[in-house]
Amino acid sequence: AQSVTQLDSQVPVFEEAPVELRCNYSSSVSVYLFWYVQYPNQGLQLLLKYLSGSTLVKGINGFEAEFNKSQTSFHLRKPSVHISDTAEYFCAVSDTPGNTGKLIFGQGTTLQVKP
Amino acid sequence: DTEVTQTPKHLVMGMTNKKSLKCEQHMGHRAMYWYKQKAKKPPELMFVYSYEKLSINESVPSRFSPECPNSSLLNLHLHALQPEDSALYLCASSQAGPLSYEQYFGPGTRLTVT
Repeated sequence: AQSVTQLDSQVPVFEEAPVELRCNYSSSVSVYLFWYVQYPNQGLQLLLKYLSGSTLVKGINGFEAEFNKSQTSFHLRKPSVHISDTAEYFCAVSDTPGNTGKLIFGQGTTLQVKP
Repeated sequence: DTEVTQTPKHLVMGMTNKKSLKCEQHMGHRAMYWYKQKAKKPPELMFVYSYEKLSINESVPSRFSPECPNSSLLNLHLHALQPEDSALYLCASSQAGPLSYEQYFGPGTRLTVT
């Protein structure tokens, strides 16, 4: 069975500092990996995705993530955060191409950017 | 246009009421989803429609009744809800079948059951 583990429930960081949000997954097959962001009182917005190809994926708002198959990880990074990055971040995996519907989410990481 | 719209934004209903949540997308997606999200938790999948047919029902109580009248619309009919059903209800859409990669989410309907 697929599972996703986000290793930190909360990550406090000062503005303009770098940040890494950690995500590990378990899967016996090829995976598609995603990071979503949820701002307060809003829906989820796709930040970036890994489907195949280059293991370094760039997304919106200056975020990037690196797919590491040997470590089954997909950590999210940003070199310099802003106050506006304060939000909930979800890592998700979709395992089987053509298997409509099954996105497995991690428990989420709250990023708190302090001035 | 990568937008999924949901109405209403907020809904307060009593336990004996009947109400409906609506979701619409115009991206040509043929898969649509309903999720329930409690505070500080990830979304939980409730239903999936693929090509306007119900393909996944995650053992959701019958007081929640989904409907997909056409490829752009998805409804969730609510009847005799319980206070524990209060949550953010999210709709999402994606391509179906072999191209079902990322899902696009709407802003959600905040439901309060009194």
